Amino acid sequence: DAKTTQPPSMDCAEGRAANLPCNHSTISGNEYVYWYRQIHSQGPQYIIHGLKNNETNEMASLIITEDRKSSTLILPHATLRDTAVYYCIVRANTGGFKTIFGAGTRLFVKA
Amino acid sequence: GAGVSQSPSNKVTEKGKDVELRCDPISGHTALYWYRQSLGQGLEFLIYFQGNSAPDKSGLPSDRFSAERTGGSVSTLTIQRTQQEDSAVYLCASSFAGWGNSPLHFGNGTRLTVT
Repeated sequence: DAKTTQPPSMDCAEGRAANLPCNHSTISGNEYVYWYRQIHSQGPQYIIHGLKNNETNEMASLIITEDRKSSTLILPHATLRDTAVYYCIVRANTGGFKTIFGAGTRLFVKA
Repeated sequence: GAGVSQSPSNKVTEKGKDVELRCDPISGHTALYWYRQSLGQGLEFLIYFQGNSAPDKSGLPSDRFSAERTGGSVSTLTIQRTQQEDSAVYLCASSFAGWGNSPLHFGNGTRLTVT
């Protein structure tokens, strides 16, 4: 699986959009981009994933650049409960059965 | 619906003892993963089961660690002769399939403390 690079921490004001970047410049054509978050003392929570197209669900939006070398997770209206560590990972479609989690981005949402 | 269930939620053991950690995946999920997370660190892959295929054990840190998955459902991670460096949160996840398009769903982990 390709490696990802994320900033170690970010701040966001409550009610504003949180834009979390991820670099995955070595991504292969069959690898999906996934985002998870982890709140203290809980297991990681699935947020969203995509291959080429931008995706949106009830939690967030995922914007993937055309060359697929980077992506951005957007939380449209951040709340204090969105304070967590956010992990960006890439996962192969076939043959890559291991999913590698890096250090993630610690997002602080401030009132 | 029921998510991934792990037991016990906390385990304190003495150095040198064996421990067993249990994972009940989401019903119908064919893939099951074990990870561990040390304090303040990211997730470290341990082992992966997919259907009836031989498990991928490449992440197990030593031969003191083993895991099995009976009947394609419940999994047990066993750590023999525990050491203090084994102290961590052990997380289990399952997915519908091993494909890249199949999200992993995690349990809340077992916090292991070796004294």
